[in-house]
Amino acid sequence: SQQGEEDPQALSIQEGENATMNCSYKTSINNLQWYRQNSGRGLVHLILIRSNEREKHSGRLRVTLDTSKKSSSLLITASRAADTASYFCATGGGWPGSARQLTFGSGTQLTVLP
Amino acid sequence: KAGVTQTPRYLIKTRGQQVTLSCSPISGHRSVSWYQQTPGQGLQFLFEYFSETQRNKGNFPGRFSGRQFSNSRSEMNVSTLELGDSALYLCASSRQDGPSGNTIYFGEGSWLTVV
Repeated sequence: SQQGEEDPQALSIQEGENATMNCSYKTSINNLQWYRQNSGRGLVHLILIRSNEREKHSGRLRVTLDTSKKSSSLLITASRAADTASYFCATGGGWPGSARQLTFGSGTQLTVLP
Repeated sequence: KAGVTQTPRYLIKTRGQQVTLSCSPISGHRSVSWYQQTPGQGLQFLFEYFSETQRNKGNFPGRFSGRQFSNSRSEMNVSTLELGDSALYLCASSRQDGPSGNTIYFGEGSWLTVV
């Protein structure tokens, strides 16, 4: 079963614009991870944010986490055509030493138009 | 360093046959987990192995099984294949200690088509 929902399901923007994707989850978490998946390919790890963090940056990516609302957002700034992909949030990574079982959202399909 | 390596990348099987997929984790990673991705069900957890022991299992029938070897490499097996088993099978690995212990890395996946 899916942990939560991602919003929107699909997003189409022009190159250079910012893209924001949202993820909601249902249970308490230790951390939340964002992944990118190009069509037919594997998942590429983008960023991990821990439950005691509120915001994290990596290059053009900014992730926020609101544990009170059980939600996270991924912002991609100055988007490029190469950012076209599906983006997933995942929870359940656990602490080091604990079992690994990620539960994924349904994903957002981002299309960046040149 | 090398990422998670999965073989084969593509395969076609007939209903009733069995299939074995292989995964080599990132060097130093001791946890290996498997996921199934389909258009209808999305990404679903199959099972996780650590130190050759299955530590966690998803809600899949007994036809799905796996194992892990002493070098942390893992295989998963699906017996008596059904059309609905057609999917992208993804393997993931992670460390179990240190500040990066939470991060889970995925391979490119194995595309299985059952005809």
